Amino acid sequence: AQSVTQLDSHVSVSEGTPVLLRCNYSSSYSPSLFWYVQHPNKGLQLLLKYTSAATLVKGINGFEAEFKKSETSFHLTKPSAHMSDAAEYFCVVSDRNAGNMLTFGGGTRLMVKP
Amino acid sequence: EAGVTQSPTHLIKTRGQQATLRCSPISGHTSVYWYQQALGLGLQFLLWYDEGEERNRGNFPPRFSGRQFPNYSSELNVNALELEDSALYLCASSFYQGNTEAFFGQGTRLTVV
Repeated sequence: AQSVTQLDSHVSVSEGTPVLLRCNYSSSYSPSLFWYVQHPNKGLQLLLKYTSAATLVKGINGFEAEFKKSETSFHLTKPSAHMSDAAEYFCVVSDRNAGNMLTFGGGTRLMVKP
Repeated sequence: EAGVTQSPTHLIKTRGQQATLRCSPISGHTSVYWYQQALGLGLQFLLWYDEGEERNRGNFPPRFSGRQFPNYSSELNVNALELEDSALYLCASSFYQGNTEAFFGQGTRLTVV
C-alpha cells in the first residue's frame, strides 16, 4: 500500500521569500511522485513529476522538488514566492502496479502575503 | 490537443435525485479516474476505469457508480443524492502503463439542496 503525508496543512510566506512545502511518502515499490497545484474552483495542474530519473526535478513556474529515498521525502521548493503562487498544493504518489492510480496527500494551502 | 473535459460545469440537484457527470479523456488515454473533493475532506478516490472495465473503487457506497464507453469517455452516476454528496468531482485520464502523469479536468461542482 502507498500513502502520502503532507506535513503542513497551511504555509504562509511573504512575497519574494522562499517556499518549502513538505511531503513524505510510503510506497512498496519505486514510486512515481508528483506535485499538483489547484487554484480556487479550478482543476489540478501538474507542477512536476519524478519518475526515477534525476532526483532533482524542475517544474513549471520556478518550482522544483528533490526526491530523497533515504528520507522518503519529496519536498517542493521555490526560491521566491509570487502572489500568484497562492493556491492548494497536493503531493501525489502513483502506483504503477495499479494502472498509475494516484494517492493524494491531504494538501497544503499556500498563502502569500504582500 | 484537447485536455480532459467534464460536463456540466455546475449541477444543482435535490436530495434523493440522481446526478450524471460526464468526462472525456485526452485522446489516446484509456484510463479514467474519478475523485471527489468535498469541503474539508481532501481528494478522495472514487472509481478507476480502463478499457471499459471498472478496475478499482474507493470507499464509497454502491449508489456511486459509473461506466466507461468504447471511446473511453466515462460517466459517473450518483443515485439517491444526499446533502453530503455536494462536492467538486474531478475526472482524470492517463495511459494505463508507464511513468505517466494523470491529467485532470476542471471538475463538476455538484450541489445538493
